[in-house]
Amino acid sequence: GAGVSQTPSNKVTEKGKYVELRCDPISGHTALYWYRQSLGQGPEFLIYFQGTGAADDSGLPNDRFFAVRPEGSVSTLKIQRTERGDSAVYLCASSLGPQGLNEQFFGPGTRLTVL
Amino acid sequence: QKEVEQDPGPLSVPEGAIVSLNCTYSNSAFQYFMWYRQYSRKGPELLMYTYSSGNKEDGRFTAQVDKSSKYISLFIRDSQPSDSATYLCAMNTGNQFYFGTGTSLTVIP
Repeated sequence: GAGVSQTPSNKVTEKGKYVELRCDPISGHTALYWYRQSLGQGPEFLIYFQGTGAADDSGLPNDRFFAVRPEGSVSTLKIQRTERGDSAVYLCASSLGPQGLNEQFFGPGTRLTVL
Repeated sequence: QKEVEQDPGPLSVPEGAIVSLNCTYSNSAFQYFMWYRQYSRKGPELLMYTYSSGNKEDGRFTAQVDKSSKYISLFIRDSQPSDSATYLCAMNTGNQFYFGTGTSLTVIP
C-alpha cells in the first residue's frame, strides 16, 4: 500500500521567501508528526497532530513556522520569511494513534535549501 | 546537554562482524527505546523497540536497555553489506520523540 508521501522532494528558495511543504499520511493514520533533520543530525521534533488539532507544537522553533491539518489527513508545514538556517530535510511521519507506541512511518522528506 | 547522545561514527566493519551501536540518555522519564535505520535520502524506518530494561532479539538484531545506567545498545550479528546505513536511536515521553545524531555504518564485503 501507499506509504507517507511528501511534496516537493526538493525546494530551493531565497532568503525571506515563504514556503509550504506538504505531507500525505498513510490512510487511516490519525497521528501526524513533523520533524526537521539537519545534516549529520537526527530528526528534531517540531509538531504533533492528533486528528485536526495540533496536540503539541512545542518543537516549532519560532513563530515563522506554522503547520495545519484542516481535515485530519493532509498536513502543510508553512515557513515564513525563510532564513538560511532553515535549510534542512523536513520529515513527516504518521502513525495509527497516540496510544502506547504506535510505529511511526516516515516519508522520504522534503529537502529545503534557502539561498 | 542533549537529551540523547550517540557516537556519530563513522563505523566500518568487514562482512560477518558483530556490530555494537550505543546511546546514552539523561531523561529518566523516557518510556520506549527505539532503533531506526535510515538509508541515504530516505526517511527512517523502525527496526526495533523495547519498553523496559533487558534484551529483545529479532533475527540478527538484539536491542538492549539498561535504565539504571541510562544506556541502550543495538547489536547486529553476521553483518551484511545491506546493513550499511545510518542507525538512529530514539526515545519518547508521550508523543515527543528524541533522536540521537545517528551512527553511520558501512559493512565491507
